[in-house]
Amino acid sequence: EVHLLASGGGLVQPGGSLRLSCAASGFPFSSYAMSWVRQAPGKGLEWVSSISGNGGSTYYANSVKGRFTISRDNYKNTLYLQMNSLRAEDTAVYYCAKLTQMIVTRGDAFDIWGQGTMVTVSS
Amino acid sequence: QSVLTQPPSASGTPGQRVTISCSGSSSNIGSNTVNWYQQLPGTAPKLLIYSNHQRPSGVPDRFSGSKSGTSASLAISGLQSEDEADYYCAAWDDSLNGWVFGGGTKLTVL
Repeated sequence: EVHLLASGGGLVQPGGSLRLSCAASGFPFSSYAMSWVRQAPGKGLEWVSSISGNGGSTYYANSVKGRFTISRDNYKNTLYLQMNSLRAEDTAVYYCAKLTQMIVTRGDAFDIWGQGTMVTVSS
Repeated sequence: QSVLTQPPSASGTPGQRVTISCSGSSSNIGSNTVNWYQQLPGTAPKLLIYSNHQRPSGVPDRFSGSKSGTSASLAISGLQSEDEADYYCAAWDDSLNGWVFGGGTKLTVL
């Protein structure tokens, strides 16, 4: 069974850092691009970042560019999101999601989602 | 303010047909395919429709999608109580070089 398990969330002060992880199982991890999508409390979905299957191409939303870094370890079947210079507006549930192709393509879709991990940025 | 525009709410009675609209622009819906996601209360989103009108395995044919120009629609026929959820449209935006979502539509089954 295809499964994504996100972890690493918690409470962090403004300006602080946090690294999220997403453990994948049930599919050939390196064959698929992956993404992070977040949802602020009571709000809608916001795409954060995507990475190709081999990790060679990365994409970021303007709201996180320069502060967040997406990466993956295909030997450990794990996706990461390093979040630096965190702001109050980064408070959200962060979902990892699988794409259906190896490269990040315009016509793709997020076909499998993890359960999410909560990040709270507050003093 | 979301790049794609959806009505914040929709409602219907069991058995009815409901449609949810999603409006965008030439840089997103106008030039790329649209996906729809269903988020049941307290759960992660689930892919409902991809490539404008395709249904993943396991999604009932009561759900259908369409696209015309810079707008898209999700239709749910034979409305059931378990369809009560938030629905989001999404598409790639060529100007932003990433995916954009609608603000979501909360569907209530009366």
